Amino acid sequence: GAGVSQSPRYKVAKRGQDVALRCDPISGHVSLFWYQQALGQGPEFLTYFQNEAQLDKSGLPSDRFFAERPEGSVSTLKIQRTQQEDSAVYLCASSSQGPFSSGANVLTFGAGSRLTVL
Amino acid sequence: AQSVAQPEDQVNVAEGNPLTVKCTYSVSGNPYLFWYVQYPNRGLQFLLKYITGDNLVKGSYGFEAEFNKSQTSFHLKKPSALVSDSALYFCAVRDSPHTGGFKTIFGAGTRLFVKA
Repeated sequence: GAGVSQSPRYKVAKRGQDVALRCDPISGHVSLFWYQQALGQGPEFLTYFQNEAQLDKSGLPSDRFFAERPEGSVSTLKIQRTQQEDSAVYLCASSSQGPFSSGANVLTFGAGSRLTVL
Repeated sequence: AQSVAQPEDQVNVAEGNPLTVKCTYSVSGNPYLFWYVQYPNRGLQFLLKYITGDNLVKGSYGFEAEFNKSQTSFHLKKPSALVSDSALYFCAVRDSPHTGGFKTIFGAGTRLFVKA
């Protein structure tokens, strides 16, 4: 597609429920990042994929968070047993360049998925 | 580890006046520096970048940024602000791929208000 698409745009979950957030990156983009943006804060890195390989998941807050990109295109961020502190906007970004490219690796962001946990 | 700081939560400027949004960074190698802008209910949009070369880089919508290696700063500037520039601005840094960097790290953001 023309841009990065994320769904759902808004999700309300009861504490303890599982949620899945989807990201459709720009076609052909090698790199895919997930960020978490709390209200009034900057985006915090969660995880990174190069094609289908998850090269870095150091930013995932706990083992309740899981991300996958099985075919190297669409990615899903799953949060199990949601807690109130998980409430945030989850941003997906993609880039045409690989992780060690000498190019700038400019990120194209989706509009985000706003998760509210009650 | 790389980090980026935006010392101002908010910047207020009158329309037509010059604006500056400050950013300082820390990386282990040569920095790749970026500015992104976020409008309400929209994703972050790329404004400009610095990799190497001229210390003054120009970007979208008339914005420019000045790289200062000795002060480890990358301040965003615009000679004449518009009301439509009001938004949330994020400075970001990526460590050089030669030192293994691939993550882009963002600052906390600076909200710019341009008053008519």
